[in-house]
Amino acid sequence: EAQVTQNPRYLITVTGKKLTVTCSQNMNHEYMSWYRQDPGLGLRQIYYSMNVEVTDKGDVPEGYKVSRKEKRNFPLILESPSPNQTSLYFCASSLFPSNYGYTFGSGTRLTVV
Amino acid sequence: ELKVEQNPLFLSMQEGKNYTIYCNYSTTSDRLYWYRQDPGKSLESLFVLLSNGAVKQEGRLMASLDTKARLSTLHITAAVHDLSATYFCAVDLPQGAQKLVFGQGTRLTINP
Repeated sequence: EAQVTQNPRYLITVTGKKLTVTCSQNMNHEYMSWYRQDPGLGLRQIYYSMNVEVTDKGDVPEGYKVSRKEKRNFPLILESPSPNQTSLYFCASSLFPSNYGYTFGSGTRLTVV
Repeated sequence: ELKVEQNPLFLSMQEGKNYTIYCNYSTTSDRLYWYRQDPGKSLESLFVLLSNGAVKQEGRLMASLDTKARLSTLHITAAVHDLSATYFCAVDLPQGAQKLVFGQGTRLTINP
């Protein structure tokens, strides 16, 4: 089954404790990206990657890092999480160009206390 | 900067009625998407609209795209309770930049 897999689905952590949210896709998509969803602010892009070793900032990159060492994986790293990073996170992937649309992962609900 | 605006943001309607959600965007784009999201869930792809005049239908939902007016509509026919959800339109930046920008979402509640 074609899918984008995110882990974990739920995570509660403490301020300053490094964490990684994993994202993997099995569709051989070139493009991958991360979004966060917050009430009243909608979905905002954090980082994106056009292909292996090619990443760039989205609209809200502060406090996040990413890497794209393999085509299928695009982990999101929070080196020192803060409470304002409490959010619902989605990973998405697509072909380039995205004429068939984007496939989203099931989401990761992160709480930083 | 590409901006995407949906209206209405909240919509409460009765079963059996018809209604339309509007999505306006500020700069040229040839790719527009509609998604559905249930509370706490992921985004489910509904429609991919790639050209001016594109119209797609799935069940009680129909989406259209007018690239000249920079407008897409999502029409709901004879609404049923199962269609209650939040609907997002999203637009790709043009010319290969490939950045998806979302509208604010329309929270649709369909009452029996």
